[in-house]
Amino acid sequence: KQEVTQIPAALSVPEGENLVLNCSFTDSAIYNLQWFRQDPGKGLTSLLLIQSSQREQTSGRLNASLDKSSGRSTLYIAASQPGDSATYLCTVVNFGNEKLTFGTGTRLTIIP
Amino acid sequence: DAGVIQSPRHEVTEMGQEVTLRCKLISGHNSLFWYRQTMMRGLELLIYFNNNVPIDDSGMPEDRFSAKMPNASFSTLKIQPSEPRDSAVYFCASSKDRGGYTFGSGTRLTVV
Repeated sequence: KQEVTQIPAALSVPEGENLVLNCSFTDSAIYNLQWFRQDPGKGLTSLLLIQSSQREQTSGRLNASLDKSSGRSTLYIAASQPGDSATYLCTVVNFGNEKLTFGTGTRLTIIP
Repeated sequence: DAGVIQSPRHEVTEMGQEVTLRCKLISGHNSLFWYRQTMMRGLELLIYFNNNVPIDDSGMPEDRFSAKMPNASFSTLKIQPSEPRDSAVYFCASSKDRGGYTFGSGTRLTVV
């Protein structure tokens, strides 16, 4: 059974710093990996989708990497801003399945 | 593209009443997922459809819950009769051939 763990569970950093969120998964037979953010009381917003054949994806200040062999992904946020404060969720879809397996989440707070 | 559209955004109902939540998929997407989110349990998959066919309903908590896809672009989740413990935020999400999920904004259900 796929298990997805995110470290740290919570992170507070001053505005302007670069930061890395970590995600690890136990079953490397993934179809894709997707990062979401969720603001309090809101829905999930997709940030980046990495297919299993890809190593990384970038969007603006965000960069996500994927290393299937080690079962890891990182989400790099450059020049953090208070608006980046949210809970970040790493999710995977395994081959032979369509269901998302959610990570444990990282609650990020950017201090102005 | 308007994204995944859910209605209503908020629903307050009395215990015992029937509640119907609605979801419109993104055009061209062929999989539909219903999730429930609570503080205690996080995000739980209730049911998902592929090409209008229910594939996995193992997450549906009880017979009081039912879901339908009358056509390729629309789904309903019905709770009858509703109970206070059904209070949660209900999300639907859609995808096309596992090409990444898009979530709706959710319906916040309160049963009093």
